[in-house]
Amino acid sequence: QSALTQPRSVSGSPGQSVTISCTGTSSDVGGYNYVSWYQQHPGKAPKVIIYGVSERPSGVPNRFSGSKSGNTASLTISGLQAEDEADYYCCSYAGTYTVFGGGTKVTVL
Amino acid sequence: EVQLVESGGGLVKTGGSLRLSCAASGFTFSDYNMNWVRQAPGKGLEWVSSISSYSDYIYYADSVKGRFTISRDNAKNSVFLQMNSLRTDDSAVYYCARDRSDMPYDWGQGTLVTVSS
Repeated sequence: QSALTQPRSVSGSPGQSVTISCTGTSSDVGGYNYVSWYQQHPGKAPKVIIYGVSERPSGVPNRFSGSKSGNTASLTISGLQAEDEADYYCCSYAGTYTVFGGGTKVTVL
Repeated sequence: EVQLVESGGGLVKTGGSLRLSCAASGFTFSDYNMNWVRQAPGKGLEWVSSISSYSDYIYYADSVKGRFTISRDNAKNSVFLQMNSLRTDDSAVYYCARDRSDMPYDWGQGTLVTVSS
């Protein structure tokens, strides 16, 4: 049950694109198409922004997109906006357990 | 509108017990698997446990196995987490989350558990 690996932080200017990687193993990320991404602002509950690797819940802007290749999933934020500054967590189903990444802080410069 | 409201958190001494509750509304509770996820102060998210819609599948993180017990009451639209033998590293905000596509999807606002020696 080892945590997925994410970069501690990424940053970008408004309008730029940033990509957050999430690396696991063939037992989690690579073994299932069940990867989700969550956005969390300080003091708030997490909010799902991507599920099923690349599906976006209704109401989530289309500047958020998800993908997966092998054991690594990625979240891309295109056209970065000030309100995107938050912590982002990936999460993968792994059969008998669920595992999160350590989180990535996105800073809008 | 999906609503998940956690309760039961508080301050407890090491070795003590607490029972968390999560009251669900806005959806057919018995159709969904449910999860508990925690977040220690200043730390990341950690999945704790999940339970299938009719309690036939139950899973735990290694860190809580043997100490925590998840259960649900579909008649009362509630899921519970019985926490025994609490340790200081169990201190966290505990979130209840509804599953979708086998992943936590809708989240409550959380309840704070503080374990002090």
